[in-house]
Amino acid sequence: DSGVTQTPKHLITATGQRVTLRCSPRSGDLSVYWYQQSLDQGLQFLIQYYNGEERAKGNILERFSAQQFPDLHSELNLSSLELGDSALYFCASSPGLAGAGETQYFGPGTRLLVL
Amino acid sequence: AQSVTQLDSQVPVFEEAPVELRCNYSSSVSVYLFWYVQYPNQGLQLLLKYLSGSTLVKGINGFEAEFNKSQTSFHLRKPSVHISDTAEYFCAVRDDKIIFGKGTRLHILP
Repeated sequence: DSGVTQTPKHLITATGQRVTLRCSPRSGDLSVYWYQQSLDQGLQFLIQYYNGEERAKGNILERFSAQQFPDLHSELNLSSLELGDSALYFCASSPGLAGAGETQYFGPGTRLLVL
Repeated sequence: AQSVTQLDSQVPVFEEAPVELRCNYSSSVSVYLFWYVQYPNQGLQLLLKYLSGSTLVKGINGFEAEFNKSQTSFHLRKPSVHISDTAEYFCAVRDDKIIFGKGTRLHILP
C-alpha cells in the first residue's frame, strides 16, 4: 500500500459526459501527479501540482483539467468524453521538496470506460 | 527533447534464470533515471533510481541497473528470477517532466 488513494476504482460512462477523478496523496506529500495509461499510448504524464499550484504540464488535452485543493487532495476533471479516453488514470504523490529525483508513490488507479 | 526506448515489449525467461530488460534514453541535459514495476491490477512501484554517483544501482527484490552514459542506457538486471517477478517494467527519465517507456512485460516460465 503506497498511501495514495484514488476514487472511484472503476467508472463507466457515455461519450460526451463529464467525470471527476479524485486523489488523496500520502500524508505530508505536497506534489501530486496525474497519468493516463492506455494500451496504445502507454503511460503518459498529464499534469503536476505542487502545494496547490500547477508545476508542470504534459500531454493533457484541453478537455481535461485538474486542481489541487488546500487540503492537498487533487481532482482530475475529464469532459466531453470520447471513446479514446478509456484508460487507467493514475495519481502519484511525492514530498515535493527534493526536486526531480524524488520517488513518486502511485495510487491503485481509476479505470475509466467510455461507451 | 527527452525520450525513453524499451527495446523489448515482452521478455520470456525461465524461473531461476537471469534476465536483462533494456532501456535507452535520450536527453540534452543531465537526467534522473528510474525503473518502476507494475504488478497485475496494481499501480506502479519504484524498483530503483539513478540520480548521481555510482553507476551501478541496487534496488528492491534483487534487481539492479547500470547507468552507462556513453551508451545512454540504463538496463535492468536480476541474476535469478522468480514467478513473483511476473509484471510489467517501466523505465523512465526525468529532467523537468518524467517520460516513461512503453514497458516490458516479463513472463516467467516454470
